Amino acid sequence: GENVEQHPSTLSVQEGDSAVIKCTYSDSASNYFPWYKQELGKGPQLIIDIRSNVGEKKDQRIAVTLNKTAKHFSLHITETQPEDSAVYFCAATPDNYGQNFVFGPGTRLSVLP
Amino acid sequence: KAGVTQTPRYLIKTRGQQVTLSCSPISGHRSVSWYQQTPGQGLQFLFEYFSETQRNKGNFPGRFSGRQFSNSRSEMNVSTLELGDSALYLCASSREGRREAFFGQGTRLTVV
Repeated sequence: GENVEQHPSTLSVQEGDSAVIKCTYSDSASNYFPWYKQELGKGPQLIIDIRSNVGEKKDQRIAVTLNKTAKHFSLHITETQPEDSAVYFCAATPDNYGQNFVFGPGTRLSVLP
Repeated sequence: KAGVTQTPRYLIKTRGQQVTLSCSPISGHRSVSWYQQTPGQGLQFLFEYFSETQRNKGNFPGRFSGRQFSNSRSEMNVSTLELGDSALYLCASSREGRREAFFGQGTRLTVV
């Protein structure tokens, strides 16, 4: 089955700097890759996603890149702000219809003012 | 538009008891999936329901079960609770044909 690894497990950056989180997956059939942000006491919030037929997607300060050959995808946050501090999860699924995501272990991002 | 609603938010149960958790999806969403979140194992898929039928199932024992009603609301049940079942149980919903899944705030279950 699918296995998703995520690095780093913790990341501290200064406000205004960029943050990059990387994930690798094992199942070449995986075709959908969402990223979630989870704040303390809340459920995961979808922040951006990418499909296997796209190499890059951007939404304001957030971007995701996908390298299908290497089976890895990355989240890039530019101009970080204190409110970006949270735990970020990547996920993958080979299922065309279902929502049975395999999640990475998470990255705790701290943006220092 | 209301988000995914999970009830109750917190629950304390004793070992050996059973528990039922409820999830109301976003209006118009017919797919509901359940996840268990623990510090040690992270986010793990339990099962997914679509149109009252279980579409996918994760690798959990038969003590974990679920169902979906005609109005798309879903419940999950855990029987013979164990200490290791203490976790945040999350429900997510999605619209038919769409990949995006939206999570509720979860139910924090503590087994003592």
